[in-house]
Amino acid sequence: DADVTQTPRNRITKTGKRIMLECSQTKGHDRMYWYRQDPGLGLRLIYYSFDVKDINKGEISDGYSVSRQAQAKFSLSLESAIPNQTALYFCATSAGTGQETQYFGPGTRLLVL
Amino acid sequence: AQKITQTQPGMFVQEKEAVTLDCTYDTSDPSYGLFWYKQPSSGEMIFLIYQGSYDQQNATEGRYSLNFQKARKSANLVISASQLGDSAMYFCAMREGRGRGSTLGRLYFGRGTQLTVWP
Repeated sequence: DADVTQTPRNRITKTGKRIMLECSQTKGHDRMYWYRQDPGLGLRLIYYSFDVKDINKGEISDGYSVSRQAQAKFSLSLESAIPNQTALYFCATSAGTGQETQYFGPGTRLLVL
Repeated sequence: AQKITQTQPGMFVQEKEAVTLDCTYDTSDPSYGLFWYKQPSSGEMIFLIYQGSYDQQNATEGRYSLNFQKARKSANLVISASQLGDSAMYFCAMREGRGRGSTLGRLYFGRGTQLTVWP
């Protein structure tokens, strides 16, 4: 089984709808991250969390919110989706020690119509 | 200023040849880490190799090596003996600092280089 899972893998929604993307991990890592990828722009950080009580905004947090329900779960919400939030969304985890390699989930492709 | 710059939007290499993907970085933090990830057309992000700023030797992982030139702030990925399966987007990324108290642990990504390996 994959160490970092994301649900759903694909989602189509309409402008103004609320949507939640979920991430779960079995790696036992404290740190979790949400990124979005747009063509030609690489990955940009939306939110990150160092533990259940520590949540921080990344460089593009406007229009998004997160919830760290447990060490293993980190959810990303779009309160009112808009078309320019159409992107590939990644969840990632890292141990917070050593080289702190981030391990990524398979991604969620979101289309906002 | 961009933290990570990848100047090659696309690269082509023939199978079995070596290829170098360029990456330069910008940081004033003496402690940092450099990463390369591969993203095949299926979309997942696969970790390839890591170089720490204090590492004396260039990192190697199988056919991947990282040509780390600290004074030039470059961290180029070298893929030896290219295979058709190496065709993918490659991202260079940097982590600044270590421990708690800042945006520690987060990665800054470049825009990527699309590598195509032809027979």
